Amino acid sequence: GQQVMQIPQYQHVQEGEDFTTYCNSSTTLSNIQWYKQRPGGHPVFLIQLVKSGEVKKQKRLTFQFGEAKKNSSLHITATQTTDVGTYFCAGRGRDDKIIFGKGTRLHILP
Amino acid sequence: DTAVSQTPKYLVTQMGNDKSIKCEQNLGHDTMYWYKQDSKKFLKIMFSYNNKELIINETVPNRFSPKSPDKAHLNLHINSLELGDSAVYFCASSRLNRGGSYNEQFFGPGTRLTVL
Repeated sequence: GQQVMQIPQYQHVQEGEDFTTYCNSSTTLSNIQWYKQRPGGHPVFLIQLVKSGEVKKQKRLTFQFGEAKKNSSLHITATQTTDVGTYFCAGRGRDDKIIFGKGTRLHILP
Repeated sequence: DTAVSQTPKYLVTQMGNDKSIKCEQNLGHDTMYWYKQDSKKFLKIMFSYNNKELIINETVPNRFSPKSPDKAHLNLHINSLELGDSAVYFCASSRLNRGGSYNEQFFGPGTRLTVL
């Protein structure tokens, strides 16, 4: 069945360093969404990518969707303590089923 | 004016009991979901439901059943609770577009279930 692999599982960075998390799907996706979950909180929607090769930016966050619509990445430039949390990708397959990646837990070292 | 609400926030119960978690959304969305997040923070979809179709994740035991009295509510009923059911359960909702694509999901605050 469809799988969405997300790496790394954990990432520790110094404040001010960049951070990237990657998602790879075993099948072509209709779209991919990214969510952020703060410690003790619930997932909050960040963005949705639909088109092949799409790149979107939100301030220090850059999201990419691969040409084959099977992989995606989230890059954060110059991390801040407010970036702490777990970042999830969620791929929707052509059968409309949603598969969440296992998440990347970001820790910021002051 | 909470968009997606769940009750209770915490639920502690004995093995073998039956319990329900309630979810309500006031966003006018037509699709609702239940997710289970385990101690490793893995987020797994259990059900998605709109007024036409219930999609069940095949790995979900049939002790779990969603019940939707109307479009704004999707409750989760669990029979014969087991230790492994301990987790945080999130409800979510989204809108189905005319073209058949879905918008983002709005998550509730979660219900932390502890089975003793």
